[in-house]
Amino acid sequence: QVLLQQWGAGLLKPSETLSLTCAFYGGSFSGYYWSWLRQPPGKGLEWIGVINQSGYTNYNPSLKSRVTISPDTSKNQFSLRLTSVTAADTAVYYCARGWKWDYVDYWGQGTLVTVSS
Amino acid sequence: QSMLTQPPSVSGAPGQRVTISCTGTNSTFGAGFDVHWYQQIPGTAPKLLIYGNNNRPSGVPDRFSGSKSDTSASLAITGLQAEDEADYYCQSYDHRLSSWVFGGGTKLTVL
Repeated sequence: QVLLQQWGAGLLKPSETLSLTCAFYGGSFSGYYWSWLRQPPGKGLEWIGVINQSGYTNYNPSLKSRVTISPDTSKNQFSLRLTSVTAADTAVYYCARGWKWDYVDYWGQGTLVTVSS
Repeated sequence: QSMLTQPPSVSGAPGQRVTISCTGTNSTFGAGFDVHWYQQIPGTAPKLLIYGNNNRPSGVPDRFSGSKSDTSASLAITGLQAEDEADYYCQSYDHRLSSWVFGGGTKLTVL
C-alpha cells in the first residue's frame, strides 16, 4: 500500500526558510515523479514543483527563485525548501507522487505552515 | 488567478447526473496537454479522480467520467450520492507558463 508521510515546522516568522520532508512507503522511489503542492486556507490548489530521481526538475515560475526540491533516494524521501517566506506562503503543504510528470496519484496528509510575526 | 476556469458551485439531487466544466486555453488543453481531476473532501487531502482526460484510477467508481475537447473539459458524475459532496479541481499544464495549472475548484452540493 502506498503511503506518503510528511513532516516539518508548522510556524515560521517572515523571512525564515520553510523546510518539509516527505517519506514514501510501499514501493520504489525510482520510476516516479515527486511533487509538492500547497493550498492557502479556504483557497484552491497551487503547484510548487516536481522532481524525479533522474534529475528532472520543474518549478512553478512564480516560486522558482525561492524553491528547492531535493530527493534522498537512500531513505525514500524528498524535501521542500522555500526561502524568505511571507504571510502569503501560509498554506497547507502537500507532498505527492505521480507516475507521469504532469499529475499526481497519491498525496501526503498535508502540513499546515503558518507564517506570522 | 486560476488559469483554468470552473464554476464555483454546482448542485444536484441524489441519483441525478451533474457535470462540472473546466475551460482552458490554447496553451493548455488546446495545445494537447491532458486534463486531470481531483476530489477533495473538506479537511482532507485531494484524491485523484480522473487522469489523462478520461481514465479512472483503480477504486474510483464508474459513475465518474471525464472528457476533453479543444479548450474545454468536463467531469460527469452520474447516480449522485451524498458522499460525492466535495470540492472538485481540474488540472493541466500550461506550456507558455511552463507550469501546472489548476482550476479554482467547484463545490458540489448534494441536495
